[in-house]
Amino acid sequence: SQKIEQNSEALNIQEGKTATLTCNYTNYSPAYLQWYRQDPGRGPVFLLLIRENEKEKRKERLKVTFDTTLKQSLFHITASQPADSATYLCAPNTGGFKTIFGAGTRLFVKA
Amino acid sequence: DVKVTQSSRYLVKRTGEKVFLECVQDMDHENMFWYRQDPGLGLRLIYFSYDVKMKEKGDIPEGYSVSREKKERFSLILESASTNQTSMYLCASSRRDSNQPQHFGDGTRLSIL
Repeated sequence: SQKIEQNSEALNIQEGKTATLTCNYTNYSPAYLQWYRQDPGRGPVFLLLIRENEKEKRKERLKVTFDTTLKQSLFHITASQPADSATYLCAPNTGGFKTIFGAGTRLFVKA
Repeated sequence: DVKVTQSSRYLVKRTGEKVFLECVQDMDHENMFWYRQDPGLGLRLIYFSYDVKMKEKGDIPEGYSVSREKKERFSLILESASTNQTSMYLCASSRRDSNQPQHFGDGTRLSIL
């Protein structure tokens, strides 16, 4: 069955460092992959989309990579700030209506 | 800015009750979704709708039904609530194309006693 793995353990980093979150998927080949941010008690908010023919996508301090050989996406936040503390969800999609969401990785950025 | 509004932030119901969760979006989106979110399990799709009166089952439709009579409104119905349906319920909407981002409401935390 289709499976998405994100680090279940929280990631703790110091302000100003780069945070790197991992998303691995198995048993399917997504046409694109989305990343979302979720704050406690709120719904997820869309951040970035990367397509299978794109190796890398950037938006301000965010960078996403997509390696279809490794079946992996990496999500980087450079110059991290305490306000970046949240849970980050990856969501690979094969092109249909059904998007499968990972359970998310909790990020804590300490001042 | 897209706004997806869920009718209640918190709801407490009793076992066996029929429960209605309402969701309204204001951006004329074709697609609407209902998920439940449980710790460690991520978002699981219950039902989605790609047009008025159209619906498709997601991964966990058992015990739920949906209604979409108007484009902007998508309702989730728990026919006979059970304690294992205690969860956070999230509604989302998106434009027609499958690669469009989903816009979420802030969720309804439902407790079934």
